[in-house]
Amino acid sequence: RKEVEQDPGPFNVPEGATVAFNCTYSNSASQSFFWYRQDCRKEPKLLMSVYSSGNEDGRFTAQLNRASQYISLLIRDSKLSDSATYLCVALTLNNYKLSFGAGTTVTVRA
Amino acid sequence: EAGVTQFPSHSVIEKGQTVTLRCDPISGHDNLYWYRRVMGKEIKFLLHFVKESKQDESGMPNNRFLAERTGGTYSTLKVQPAELEDSGVYFCASSQRDLGLTGELFFGEGSRLTVL
Repeated sequence: RKEVEQDPGPFNVPEGATVAFNCTYSNSASQSFFWYRQDCRKEPKLLMSVYSSGNEDGRFTAQLNRASQYISLLIRDSKLSDSATYLCVALTLNNYKLSFGAGTTVTVRA
Repeated sequence: EAGVTQFPSHSVIEKGQTVTLRCDPISGHDNLYWYRRVMGKEIKFLLHFVKESKQDESGMPNNRFLAERTGGTYSTLKVQPAELEDSGVYFCASSQRDLGLTGELFFGEGSRLTVL
């Protein structure tokens, strides 16, 4: 079983729309969670951390549900530049490893 | 400030040949990681250096893979002999602080390996 599972998408949305997707993790020892963003044929970059209480960073909102072991990301007022693959990442502190999901592809169209 | 740089960006070799990938982390970053993404799959951990020491190499697929970080600066990942299933994108990443503090790794653009 994969440690982090994501809906691969693609999610095709018009500019200005709201898009949301989530991922699930299987390792209950995972303690910290993140969303990374990867543009086509580029390197992954940290988008934001995910806190238990939920957190926002501009148009992006991340939520964590430890009981159900899922993490979500919501993008409001989508921009063309939001088109990318979003990677859900879990960190297990006892071995300091990041476990990546395979990514959710979002395409924002004009 | 220069980011993580990797060389080559793309390598095409035949099965049985040897390839060496190089990674230059961000200056001052003690932690250096190698990850691999096989087509259609998730990015998977290979190993972790702290300075010149291998902290964790549990993700290395087999003994055909050898990673080094002499002097604690740049790192190399050698695949010898290469097999078809080794094809993929090899990412190097570095961080200055413990992952537990920020979760932020700085990735290179990757070395795409194609084994024919």
